[in-house]
Amino acid sequence: EDQVTQSPEALRLQEGESSSLNCSYTVSGLRGLFWYRQDPGKGPEFLFTLYSAGEEKEKERLKATLTKKESFLHITAPKPEDSATYLCAGLSGGYQKVTFGIGTKLQVIP
Amino acid sequence: DGGITQSPKYLFRKEGQNVTLSCEQNLNHDAMYWYRQDPGQGLRLIYYSQIVNDFQKGDIAEGYSVSREKKESFPLTVTSAQKNPTAFYLCASSVAGIQETQYFGPGTRLLVL
Repeated sequence: EDQVTQSPEALRLQEGESSSLNCSYTVSGLRGLFWYRQDPGKGPEFLFTLYSAGEEKEKERLKATLTKKESFLHITAPKPEDSATYLCAGLSGGYQKVTFGIGTKLQVIP
Repeated sequence: DGGITQSPKYLFRKEGQNVTLSCEQNLNHDAMYWYRQDPGQGLRLIYYSQIVNDFQKGDIAEGYSVSREKKESFPLTVTSAQKNPTAFYLCASSVAGIQETQYFGPGTRLLVL
């Protein structure tokens, strides 16, 4: 059974304190790894898609990386507006199924 | 502005009542999806449709029904057979099939009276 596990469940950072969110996966024949940002009471907003180990993508203060077992979302010098829940999801090869993690709730304190 | 709209934002259901959630997209995407989000759980797929007049059950289809008569629209009906309907419902779309990046609407919160 495909699984996506995100850690930590919650993370509290001071403004400017860089950190990383982890997404480990056991997805059959992973064909893609997606990162989303979700604000309370709203739909997820697409951030990145990673397709192969070693791939990296950046957007403003966020950088996503992918290895054969996990993905990281690095947040550099976060601001309070980066506070949100970050979701990752894995696309399996054979069954063409997307499995979502529960998310990491990030709070950035001014 | 291209995007996905869902209505209503909040919906209240009485016991034994069927309710329908609306999802419309003007992105010209072929595929559309319905997910359910509960606290402490990842998004779970209810139904998806890759083309008009065709749809497939997801992991938790029992108690739900859908239709896809137009490319732009994918309404979800929560029937009285769904005994635990209280959740946040998310509609998504992608250019083609499930292998493509999915883009989400703003969601509908369904509450039971």
